[in-house]
Amino acid sequence: QVQLQQSGPGLVKPSQTLSLTCAISGDSVSSNSAAWDWIRQSPSRGLEWLGRTYYRSKWYNNYAVSVKSRISIKPDTSKNQFSLQLNSVTPEDTAVYYCARDQYSSIDYWGQGTLVTVSS
Amino acid sequence: DIQMTQSPSSLSASVGDRVTITCRASQSISSSLNWYQQKSGKAPKLLIYASSSFRSGVPSRFSGSGSGTDFTLTISSLQPEDFATYYCQQSYSNSWTFGPGTNVEIK
Repeated sequence: QVQLQQSGPGLVKPSQTLSLTCAISGDSVSSNSAAWDWIRQSPSRGLEWLGRTYYRSKWYNNYAVSVKSRISIKPDTSKNQFSLQLNSVTPEDTAVYYCARDQYSSIDYWGQGTLVTVSS
Repeated sequence: DIQMTQSPSSLSASVGDRVTITCRASQSISSSLNWYQQKSGKAPKLLIYASSSFRSGVPSRFSGSGSGTDFTLTISSLQPEDFATYYCQQSYSNSWTFGPGTNVEIK
């Protein structure tokens, strides 16, 4: 059974960097059949897919156009986890952030969600 | 980005009712369409993938159909545990997008 455990601060100041980590159990971040995603949800924007990292003989990333200039998703193979960094945040980035596994083009496991508030 | 729309945005139904939710993509996405159920305060849960394939453990009263731009999720006989918000999501492009959701409420 795959489990995803998120960690990171719930409050970030405007213009700073939002950083979250997702620890994986029951699968490997280096899996050749899975990808590892970040998704957020807010009342104003609904569910918004942010991006993914995955390994297919080498590491790849895909990012949503809306955040492409500010986002980085990185694997950490030594700890079997992956991370999200979102730079230059504004109050519009306030949301519940989820990490997730996607396999066979659907999201089959989700983390517990982290409410991140952007406020001074 | 491919835009996803859903209708209705909300509906009221009774236990035992047949419920149909529609999802439309702004361009053809073949059968690359997934459906999720979300209950308050919880992460979404995958119900249907690739338009009509069941995820293991999902009750058979849920079914999906469609291809191209138009898709439907049908609940054949609504149960008390089915009151939730339902989202469609396209996985056709490298940048995935979700529909705005359909809230299914108790009548």
